[in-house]
Amino acid sequence: NAGVMQNPRHLVRRRGQEARLRCSPMKGHSHVYWYRQLPEEGLKFMVYLQKENIIDESGMPKERFSAEFPKEGPSILRIQQVVRGDSAAYFCASSQTGSTDTQYFGPGTRLTVL
Amino acid sequence: AQTVTQSQPEMSVQEAETVTLSCTYDTSESDYYLFWYKQPPSRQMILVIRQEAYKQQNATENRFSVNFQKAAKSFSLKISDSQLGDAAMYFCAYRRVIQGAQKLVFGQGTRLTINP
Repeated sequence: NAGVMQNPRHLVRRRGQEARLRCSPMKGHSHVYWYRQLPEEGLKFMVYLQKENIIDESGMPKERFSAEFPKEGPSILRIQQVVRGDSAAYFCASSQTGSTDTQYFGPGTRLTVL
Repeated sequence: AQTVTQSQPEMSVQEAETVTLSCTYDTSESDYYLFWYKQPPSRQMILVIRQEAYKQQNATENRFSVNFQKAAKSFSLKISDSQLGDAAMYFCAYRRVIQGAQKLVFGQGTRLTINP
């Protein structure tokens, strides 16, 4: 079984550009979570999605950030008009069900904003 | 809101010896999950061990075991017979069991160094 896939692994953007991060969950998993890790810090929850639904977005910044998990295709985390403070590692995790299953993580996308 | 605290930013141990990483958490709930994740230099987050709060028995996975003290809200990780490949950042995490609220709350991490 392939694990959680994220691409790109590294992404460089200039201030003001848009960043799109993709996450394909493990086969059979329909729950996706996005986390952000700033340098030398732990991971912070951003958003939890099921297919076509946002379940919990309590960790998402109110502006410039959005996430989706369409019926077909990967989950997308989109950051508009990036700023230097957005530079971080963004991790996606997936689980088979929501309430009891372990979350398995992808390798992360390292975003650098110049 | 739940919080997780790892009070040891860095730890080191001699190869083949035992080391214990500390974690405390704050919650008013009686049922929840606790996890230890390992993040090696590759930055991949790897699940080490999982504990359900309603289970009194401490979880074990080969050389990894936990000391879960529910009343004290403590969840330490013991690594026996340390190996060079155990060198990594270790994160303790808490998760609620309520449907729709399954986000992981992480501690700040402990960097473990293994001395040959």
